[in-house]
Amino acid sequence: NAGVMQNPRHLVRRRGQEARLRCSPMKGHSHVYWYRQLPEEGLKFMVYLQKENIIDESGMPKERFSAEFPKEGPSILRIQQVVRGDSAAYFCASSPLVRGNIQYFGAGTRLSVL
Amino acid sequence: ELKVEQNPLFLSMQEGKNYTIYCNYSTTSDRLYWYRQDPGKSLESLFVLLSNGAVKQEGRLMASLDTKARLSTLHITAAVHDLSATYFCAVEPYNTDKLIFGTGTRLQVFP
Repeated sequence: NAGVMQNPRHLVRRRGQEARLRCSPMKGHSHVYWYRQLPEEGLKFMVYLQKENIIDESGMPKERFSAEFPKEGPSILRIQQVVRGDSAAYFCASSPLVRGNIQYFGAGTRLSVL
Repeated sequence: ELKVEQNPLFLSMQEGKNYTIYCNYSTTSDRLYWYRQDPGKSLESLFVLLSNGAVKQEGRLMASLDTKARLSTLHITAAVHDLSATYFCAVEPYNTDKLIFGTGTRLQVFP
């Protein structure tokens, strides 16, 4: 049973470009979470999705960031017009059910904005 | 604003010694998680604590939860070098499905 798969592992973008981060949850998991980790800091919640629905986006910046989890295919975190402050590690987690179930994390995508 | 605070932030300890990492949080919750992260790697789940008084042990690590005090501890017994990593606690507040992470404790175990 493959774990949570994220790609790419490393992504380099110039300021103003778009970044697309992908996350395939573990088999059987229908809940996906995105977190951001700045250097030397803990993870900060961004968004929680179920298939075709955004459940909680309270941690998402109001502009430039969007997320989706389509019926078919991986979850996508999209960052438009990236700025240097977007440089961070972005982790995806999945779980089979809500509340009290472990969230299993992917290896992360490390985004560097030049 | 919900806060989850860990202390110490950095811990350097000798092999064979014991120590405790503390995790305080500011909201009502009965669900707390401990994760381990190695440099440049993802997070590995260590413990899930789902009720007041819960205690879990795995090898040299033991975690406990006191929901009344809003405190969780991660106790390390007879540390070994392989335990060197960053340890995070994370709280799942009532009526949400997200985790609020602590600042992390970077543990280094030396001979």
